Amino acid sequence: GAVVSQHPSRVICKSGTSVKIECRSLDFQATTMFWYRQFPKKSLMLMATSNEGSKATYEQGVEKDKFLINHASLTLSTLTVTSAHPEDSSFYICSAATLGGGEPEQFFGPGTRLTVL
Amino acid sequence: AQRVTQPEKLLSVFKGAPVELKCNYSYSGSPELFWYVQYSRQRLQLLLRHISRESIKGFTADLNKGETSFHLKKPFAQEEDSAMYYCALRLYGQNFVFGPGTRLSVLP
Repeated sequence: GAVVSQHPSRVICKSGTSVKIECRSLDFQATTMFWYRQFPKKSLMLMATSNEGSKATYEQGVEKDKFLINHASLTLSTLTVTSAHPEDSSFYICSAATLGGGEPEQFFGPGTRLTVL
Repeated sequence: AQRVTQPEKLLSVFKGAPVELKCNYSYSGSPELFWYVQYSRQRLQLLLRHISRESIKGFTADLNKGETSFHLKKPFAQEEDSAMYYCALRLYGQNFVFGPGTRLSVLP
């Protein structure tokens, strides 16, 4: 199956700094990538939908200026958490959707655990 | 509004026992339902989708539009089935709404 990678897998940063998380589709082109946030023992919460070459669509309640998303190519999307605070500590997961027809499917990355001190 | 519910946060069964993970949805459009599974320390992955009407790893799920349900079933649970299971509803394109998840624990 298709592979999606995320980098870094784990990051610890100081409050007030910015952190960039990369999401790559390794063996397919993804016109659409999704960013999720997963709280402990809770479900995935969709943060934003990212389409290559256009602005991301953010879900209600997600601050676009805080969570900057860039989808520069068909294989790479980045999420930058700006001026991170302890409440931003979470598990961030990206997924990529395949091109073309057929059954729709998302392939998920392994996630990035962000800890803000 | 579209919504997916999974009433059980944790479900424990003994090996060899039948298991059913419940999922209900609310959606005004034509629903497309999926089950995703996340094994310990692994990424989320697709288990099955209602359109395919397939059986994966012994699991099946039938879409019941009358009851707005898409329960996941397996007649004989195995220890390796222990994982987090998420029911998901596809809205449009690739946008999904995930349920809160059910942690299945299969005891020896």
